[in-house]
Amino acid sequence: GEDVEQSLFLSVREGDSSVINCTYTDSSSTYLYWYKQEPGAGLQLLTYIFSNMDMKQDQRLTVLLNKKDKHLSLRIADTQTGDSAIYFCAETRSYNTDKLIFGTGTRLQVFP
Amino acid sequence: EAEVAQSPRYKITEKSQAVAFWCDPISGHATLYWYRQILGQGPELLVQFQDESVVDDSQLPKDRFSAERLKGVDSTLKIQPAELGDSAMYLCASSFRGTGAETQYFGPGTRLLVL
Repeated sequence: GEDVEQSLFLSVREGDSSVINCTYTDSSSTYLYWYKQEPGAGLQLLTYIFSNMDMKQDQRLTVLLNKKDKHLSLRIADTQTGDSAIYFCAETRSYNTDKLIFGTGTRLQVFP
Repeated sequence: EAEVAQSPRYKITEKSQAVAFWCDPISGHATLYWYRQILGQGPELLVQFQDESVVDDSQLPKDRFSAERLKGVDSTLKIQPAELGDSAMYLCASSFRGTGAETQYFGPGTRLLVL
């Protein structure tokens, strides 16, 4: 996950909101994504945002993009125990390819 | 719902042995990807196919890794000889055309342990 950084761990209480942060360095990013990985499983796309957008909301998920600061965040409202997983941000750097550059992942732990 | 299939799910081998992983993408998906995910890190693209052609293998260690997608459908990733540092999860993904904001669908992965 070179050039895409995330904090390693986040712990929240069930019912609270979670905010997972990501910073990237390449200003040519076109799309930015959030993936979820449960133990022993592949990656599941949660949502994505186009680089000219500031915000995208999808049910309990809100993505905020600050392109000036190269900062992406994922807010999960009303976090549930089933949300416990590793969350990866990822970017693509060209409109002609969907090659993904992944961050290091943030492990979200939800406790009752 | 269509899924990306991978086998085996787990593989234990000794260093210097050969290993092979198989991936069957979602039917109709032209683009297939192999990623390597080292424990505690994000996935890194090893190779990308468009139909049967390789379009990106810049991160593939070609001295020991090879990948093929002969008929543009399923794909095999091979390591020969395996080294201790190859222990990782190998993920396969596919997408319809491989451009823009298309969703990449990931398989469950093959976890490799090299002893």
